[in-house]
Amino acid sequence: EPEVTQTPSHQVTQMGQEVILRCVPISNHLYFYWYRQILGQKVEFLVSFYNNEISEKSEIFDDQFSVERPDGSNFTLKIRSTKLEDSAMYFCASRGTGEYNYGYTFGSGTRLTVV
Amino acid sequence: QKEVEQNSGPLSVPEGAIASLNCTYSDRGSQSFFWYRQYSGKSPELIMFIYSNGDKEDGRFTAQLNKASQYVSLLIRDSQPSDSATYLCAVNSGAGSYQLTFGKGTKLSVIP
Repeated sequence: EPEVTQTPSHQVTQMGQEVILRCVPISNHLYFYWYRQILGQKVEFLVSFYNNEISEKSEIFDDQFSVERPDGSNFTLKIRSTKLEDSAMYFCASRGTGEYNYGYTFGSGTRLTVV
Repeated sequence: QKEVEQNSGPLSVPEGAIASLNCTYSDRGSQSFFWYRQYSGKSPELIMFIYSNGDKEDGRFTAQLNKASQYVSLLIRDSQPSDSATYLCAVNSGAGSYQLTFGKGTKLSVIP
């Protein structure tokens, strides 16, 4: 079964540092997403990405966040200057064309801890 | 503000019983509805999706949608201890948007 792969599984960083979370979506998928889940809270949408540009972003996705697809396989989320409140599980997800109504596949997540 | 509401539980059912999980949503224009299962510390795993009124069955799972009441439910028949997890309801509003709005989830505990 195809998988969405995320690295690292756990990242600890100091407040104010930059972090890059990496994702390898399913190979024939064209739509990519980042979500986050603060411990005990809802899964929240951050951003969607299609055709090398952002399709939608939430209020959470401010100027400190950016996404990039640097090559044909990776999809990254960068947080420029981390804050304590950025501590959360970050999930990458992808879906293919024609699967609009079928939901999408989440990666196993990166637990980000900002200290 | 689009909201998806779920009873947080915990919902406890004995092994072999039917578990019934409910979800309401605020955006009347929502088009697609999803149930995800999330084990503690893990990522959400898609169980079922539904987008037409009525019932949709897949194995032990049945999703039910009533758009007039803005209500979607998930029934799990013959519940097993391995079904113990948090069940997340997610809604897509369509209209060119691809993001999902999640509920906070219902924690299900199946007692052997």
